[in-house]
Amino acid sequence: NAGVTQTPKFRVLKTGQSMTLLCAQDMNHEYMYWYRQDPGMGLRLIHYSVGEGTTAKGEVPDGYNVSRLKKQNFLLGLESAAPSQTSVYFCASSYEGRHGELFFGEGSRLTVL
Amino acid sequence: AQSVTQLDSHVSVSEGTPVLLRCNYSSSYSPSLFWYVQHPNKGLQLLLKYTSAATLVKGINGFEAEFKKSETSFHLTKPSAHMSDAAEYFCVVRGTGGFKTIFGAGTRLFVKA
Repeated sequence: NAGVTQTPKFRVLKTGQSMTLLCAQDMNHEYMYWYRQDPGMGLRLIHYSVGEGTTAKGEVPDGYNVSRLKKQNFLLGLESAAPSQTSVYFCASSYEGRHGELFFGEGSRLTVL
Repeated sequence: AQSVTQLDSHVSVSEGTPVLLRCNYSSSYSPSLFWYVQHPNKGLQLLLKYTSAATLVKGINGFEAEFKKSETSFHLTKPSAHMSDAAEYFCVVRGTGGFKTIFGAGTRLFVKA
């Protein structure tokens, strides 16, 4: 059972380039989340989804877009990368949206030069 | 306001001695509480969770935590530290309203040989 899988694991971008991070889960979870983790800032929610075809903004959504076309996949896009988006990105999923435990992927380390 | 406070940013113990990582929370609701562990360059892994059943919760790798409503605390303990326990630990609260998840700032555990 793979759980939550993120691709790619590492990426280096130049300022202004675009890219997409893919998150896939095989647990049939309704809820999926994208977080970024920065030193001293903890984990901050970027966007989340409560089901296929739905997305919602989290704490720090600016500069990111997401899509949930299939229940098992949650894509995070950067249209024009900025150095401030250098971070480690984590995808998570949960069966229940309010009290359920979160299952995390291994993370995607993004560097924007 | 809902919040989570991890009282120590760093804890250092010797191998074979007890571990205590402290967490206090503030919530107007009946929250679910979790402890996660993050090893370097890895995702967050669930150690244990409290969801209003028994107040003493046993988790993986010998960890346990006690929910004390009167003290609004959820401290993590382990009787005997192992070198492999060296990692960062996060206290997490859910069920505080909507789909919000509140992460503590983390406690880094060092284990000395």
